[in-house]
Amino acid sequence: SAVISQKPSRDICQRGTSLTIQCQVDSQVTMMFWYRQQPGQSLTLIATANQGSEATYESGFVIDKFPISRPNLTFSTLTVSNMSPEDSSIYLCSAGETENYGYTFGSGTRLTVV
Amino acid sequence: GESVGLHLPTLSVQEGDNSIINCAYSNSASDYFIWYKQESGKGPQFIIDIRSNMDKRQGQRVTVLLNKTVKHLSLQIAATQPGDSAVYFCAERLEGQNFVFGPGTRLSVLP
Repeated sequence: SAVISQKPSRDICQRGTSLTIQCQVDSQVTMMFWYRQQPGQSLTLIATANQGSEATYESGFVIDKFPISRPNLTFSTLTVSNMSPEDSSIYLCSAGETENYGYTFGSGTRLTVV
Repeated sequence: GESVGLHLPTLSVQEGDNSIINCAYSNSASDYFIWYKQESGKGPQFIIDIRSNMDKRQGQRVTVLLNKTVKHLSLQIAATQPGDSAVYFCAERLEGQNFVFGPGTRLSVLP
């Protein structure tokens, strides 16, 4: 299965600023996703990162707040914009070759907004 | 490292005993299910999967059981070891849709 490198692994940011998280996969993959995991909770899908086109966002997530890029089949970025303390969470990148098998996850980015 | 799932339900088992982690899934039409293990400071790791045309699947020390009648999924871990301590998530998928993750269960292995 693919190996995913995600960075930064953690960051502490000031409110009102933005942070871009990078996700690098060691092989070309069809699908890439971004999840949020708030303390004590499960994983919530933010969006599907589509190569060469706009990401597909889930209900409750918008492009202005979470712009996503996917310039090729091995790389994607998620930006958390105009951050507030409520954005403090773990953000996870995931990738997979087909929807018929489980996806691989990165180790996550632990974001604290102060 | 920082721990996720501070308020999750917890299952405590003695080292060497068998563990059973349960999951109630939401959609009777879901056709594919996965169990993930998430250790502190890491992303979820695939453990085992099962498709809706099966009711049991075995891996190394792990068995997944699927009861479609009551929309229930379980993960059995044989001879639980300290390294099994983690948060376990079930995920369900309806064909053509994205995975939906369950709330998670923290497994604590006692010495």
